[in-house]
Amino acid sequence: QVQLVQSGGGVVQPGGSLRLSCAASGFTFLSYGMHWVRQAPGKGLEWVAFIRYDGTEVFYADSVRGRFTISRDNSKNTLFLQLSGLGPEDTALYYCASPPASDPGGYYLAGYWGQGVLVTV
Amino acid sequence: QSALTQPASVSGSPGQSITISCTGTSTDVGLYNYLSWYQQYPGKAPRLIIYDVTRRPSGISNRFSGSKSGITASLTISGLQAEDEAAYYCSSYVSNSWKFGGGTKVTVL
Repeated sequence: QVQLVQSGGGVVQPGGSLRLSCAASGFTFLSYGMHWVRQAPGKGLEWVAFIRYDGTEVFYADSVRGRFTISRDNSKNTLFLQLSGLGPEDTALYYCASPPASDPGGYYLAGYWGQGVLVTV
Repeated sequence: QSALTQPASVSGSPGQSITISCTGTSTDVGLYNYLSWYQQYPGKAPRLIIYDVTRRPSGISNRFSGSKSGITASLTISGLQAEDEAAYYCSSYVSNSWKFGGGTKVTVL
């Protein structure tokens, strides 16, 4: 079954940096686009970033563009999110997500979710 | 990138049907069928319950159904049960980005 295991959250000072990881298993990782989604405490879901299956295209929400970088290592079935220039508004639970099995392009966003990691700025 | 519009809360009695709306624009909900719905319990990760406007992933109860008309998508929960009390979010693709609705808290009376 699909598993997404996240690591890397923590407490960081304003202006600081952090790298989140998401180890994937149970599906052909290198064939699927992947997303990051965040949720501020007590708030709704916010899409953050997407990366194509081969890493050739990446897209970001306006709120993080220029500060966050999404990347992947298909040899290690791992997705990353590098966070920099962090501010209090970035405090949130960050989820990695893979699309439904029939949607390698990632258009339906999230069929499977990681457990989430908390980033506190 | 304004969020899709959902009612903040919807309530119903056990056995009843409720409908949650998700209103966008002609450039997101009105343009694409890349429309999904998620259920989220407090302290848990969201779970996909509808995608492609109407399709249910394996294991999702057929009490959940989706539809779309113009710029508004809808999620209907039939035969409301206590376990349906949760937050529900819609999401839509929109030209190399994605957006969520603000979320709807469903209360079973």
